[in-house]
Amino acid sequence: RKEVEQDPGPFNVPEGATVAFNCTYSNSASQSFFWYRQDCRKEPKLLMSVYSSGNEDGRFTAQLNRASQYISLLIRDSKLSDSATYLCVVTLSGGYNKLIFGAGTRLAVHP
Amino acid sequence: DGGITQSPKYLFRKEGQNVTLSCEQNLNHDAMYWYRQDPGQGLRLIYYSQIVNDFQKGDIAEGYSVSREKKESFPLTVTSAQKNPTAFYLCASRSGGTSDTQYFGPGTRLTVL
Repeated sequence: RKEVEQDPGPFNVPEGATVAFNCTYSNSASQSFFWYRQDCRKEPKLLMSVYSSGNEDGRFTAQLNRASQYISLLIRDSKLSDSATYLCVVTLSGGYNKLIFGAGTRLAVHP
Repeated sequence: DGGITQSPKYLFRKEGQNVTLSCEQNLNHDAMYWYRQDPGQGLRLIYYSQIVNDFQKGDIAEGYSVSREKKESFPLTVTSAQKNPTAFYLCASRSGGTSDTQYFGPGTRLTVL
């Protein structure tokens, strides 16, 4: 079983749609949680951290359910510029801040 | 501008040749990391360094080597022992302490012919 699992997609949605991505992680010792965005042939860029209380940044909302080992990302009012691959990332407690990446979920927003 | 630079952006090499990928940061970050990305897969950790003159193997270190002689620099050598070196290589850094966030350079796309 992969340590971080994501639906690879692609999710094809029209502009203005609301889309949700899910991610599950296998290690209950996971400490920190992030969503990164990666454009085609570019480096990943931090989109947002994910907290147990949930957090929102503009059109983006992230949720964490530690009991179910589940992370979500909700994008409201999708823009063409949101088209990218979204990477779910967790870190393990202690040690050297090892990031464990999911393979990513691809989003394509069309006019 | 502060950031992480990687060079070159694209690199082509013949099979059996060693090649060194550059990674430089001027963020004054203590920790630096090298990852490899293959199509359809998540990033995988090759090597990491938490301080100067110290580095540790990640999950897929075989066929790779690194050095950390300066805080700003963490070059990665892909040796001829690496069986499948064609990939997208990403360098990252972290400020250290309690910060978990890693910031990535633009990457080097290595193709071995």
